[in-house]
Amino acid sequence: AAGVIQSPRHLIKEKRETATLKCYPIPRHDTVYWYQQGPGQDPQFLISFYEKMQSDKGSIPDRFSAQQFSDYHSELNMSSLELGDSALYFCASSRPGVYEQYFGPGTRLTVT
Amino acid sequence: GENVEQHPSTLSVQEGDSAVIKCTYSDSASNYFPWYKQELGKGPQLIIDIRSNVGEKKDQRIAVTLNKTAKHFSLHITETQPEDSAVYFCAAPAPGGGYNKLIFGAGTRLAVHP
Repeated sequence: AAGVIQSPRHLIKEKRETATLKCYPIPRHDTVYWYQQGPGQDPQFLISFYEKMQSDKGSIPDRFSAQQFSDYHSELNMSSLELGDSALYFCASSRPGVYEQYFGPGTRLTVT
Repeated sequence: GENVEQHPSTLSVQEGDSAVIKCTYSDSASNYFPWYKQELGKGPQLIIDIRSNVGEKKDQRIAVTLNKTAKHFSLHITETQPEDSAVYFCAAPAPGGGYNKLIFGAGTRLAVHP
């Protein structure tokens, strides 16, 4: 079965640089969620989109922005990167009107 | 907001034994409780979930029980195998978030020894 696709899988950036993470949801899933997971921690919700509109917002820094496009893929844009932004970033998707969220393999971002 | 507590943080069992992980939540309006398994270097995998209108759900060797009165739910794994070794997370939806954001427990690192 098709799964959530994330790219790139690994990304190394320097402080103050920008990064763009991409997420391609499972086909026919219209809702996308972004989570951040620090080492040894649980995933923390950042932001979600439903039908290309922002549907919920969590602890996402103002330096980060995201959007969902007409083909339902989503991009997380991160600017002025800080060392503390180093983490795994997961995208999850769900079908219309259902609870189940399916996670992608994640992007490991390292800020040096 | 919703608060999810998970215990234990680590669990070590012998192959073939059972493992139980417990979670409590704070928002009595929560009505959906998923469990995720995360292997090293991979994304969380949804393994089982339960809705508030049932008390128990089984899928082969795994089961989840829910006590809405006490606001806790548990994951039960029977006949554990080495491939069950992973970090397990419980979760609950944040209040007011509909079916959007999930609040996760801190995770349980399960080690199954042959």
